[in-house]
Amino acid sequence: DAKTTQPPSMDCAEGRAANLPCNHSTISGNEYVYWYRQIHSQGPQYIIHGLKNNETNEMASLIITEDRKSSTLILPHATLRDTAVYYCIVRGTLNDYKLSFGAGTTVTVRA
Amino acid sequence: DVKVTQSSRYLVKRTGEKVFLECVQDMDHENMFWYRQDPGLGLRLIYFSYDVKMKEKGDIPEGYSVSREKKERFSLILESASTNQTSMYLCASSLRREVYFGPGTRLTVL
Repeated sequence: DAKTTQPPSMDCAEGRAANLPCNHSTISGNEYVYWYRQIHSQGPQYIIHGLKNNETNEMASLIITEDRKSSTLILPHATLRDTAVYYCIVRGTLNDYKLSFGAGTTVTVRA
Repeated sequence: DVKVTQSSRYLVKRTGEKVFLECVQDMDHENMFWYRQDPGLGLRLIYFSYDVKMKEKGDIPEGYSVSREKKERFSLILESASTNQTSMYLCASSLRREVYFGPGTRLTVL
């Protein structure tokens, strides 16, 4: 059972910011939000994770709402190579490796 | 950069063959995993290992075994391959909360 809801697809123009929403209304206090992406026929790639504060790394930014029931992954300047399926998952303890990826959002970046 | 490598990208085997899938990580991670990914079923955990010679069953261990003799290497073994084991196999390793995946092995069992 995926604990998250994401739109099935979205398009983005190259060079623009891509904002990917995720709903996780049943998230519990000790669960983190993770984002991965998977380019066709490759293994998933870790992007970012957070608990309640906004996070930024070299790939993306993660904005988590104050009630933690939703979050947004921001790719600041999308490129054609960012075309992939993006997965938002919630995960609790460090020993929870049963990553439930769900269907994700298929992001297509167009020139 | 964390690197997780898998021995083959594509593999074709016959029913009943013993199949070895190898995975190596270069970041001294203690935890390593084997998943399979199938359309409509998502990612399912087969086995994981939290230390050398230590292993735990995941959700779907039947028909598989694993070996971890060295920290950097985690092998998945299909004792007698069957057609329902045709799938994408993903190895991963983790440091704290970040799980890093290999490129995957697409196995076809005929």
